[in-house]
Amino acid sequence: DTEVTQTPKHLVMGMTNKKSLKCEQHMGHRAMYWYKQKAKKPPELMFVYSYEKLSINESVPSRFSPECPNSSLLNLHLHALQPEDSALYLCASSQDRAATYEQYFGPGTRLTVT
Amino acid sequence: AQSVTQLGSHVSVSEGALVLLRCNYSSSVPPYLFWYVQYPNQGLQLLLKYTTGATLVKGINGFEAEFKKSETSFHLTKPSAHMSDAAEYFCAVSDGIQGAQKLVFGQGTRLTINP
Repeated sequence: DTEVTQTPKHLVMGMTNKKSLKCEQHMGHRAMYWYKQKAKKPPELMFVYSYEKLSINESVPSRFSPECPNSSLLNLHLHALQPEDSALYLCASSQDRAATYEQYFGPGTRLTVT
Repeated sequence: AQSVTQLGSHVSVSEGALVLLRCNYSSSVPPYLFWYVQYPNQGLQLLLKYTTGATLVKGINGFEAEFKKSETSFHLTKPSAHMSDAAEYFCAVSDGIQGAQKLVFGQGTRLTINP
């Protein structure tokens, strides 16, 4: 099973809402990632978790709060977002943090902030 | 710092024709290189990767890429295009310098297949 699942598939939220994105993998991978992708652009790395600890935060605004409750699950908590945060949010995982391992991507959550 | 340049933001070929998508990289350490494909409204799918060893790498769906260190290139090819190949293609280099893998993506190439 090489699948990364993400829920929900689509999310519309107002600027005062609090919502969460969920990502799950059952491949035994120990590194997990959040990316943001705007239309016609490559994915931009937001966060990296390695062995359930946050190892990279790419200077992401605090209105995005990641959480890794266990080795299979990754959440992204959203609060007080701005319309410019509307994008496709992709989760990925890899066997561990070594550069040789490929990342497996989920299908993404399409977020619209109104 | 690592970087990737994909030459041509849009490539159009006829069905059955050769597909060539160009990727050049810049890296201060031996690179680990990847090609991903993204279909509309979907996530990224790995086509192939180069880490060490054989410089000609075969991937899924009939794609292959050749690592040429002297040219700092990792171009993606497919001998005969199929309509289902229409998608966005990203070349990426892996930067493990910070102790955790960071994928540095090129800007992407949109492949269109003409019937």
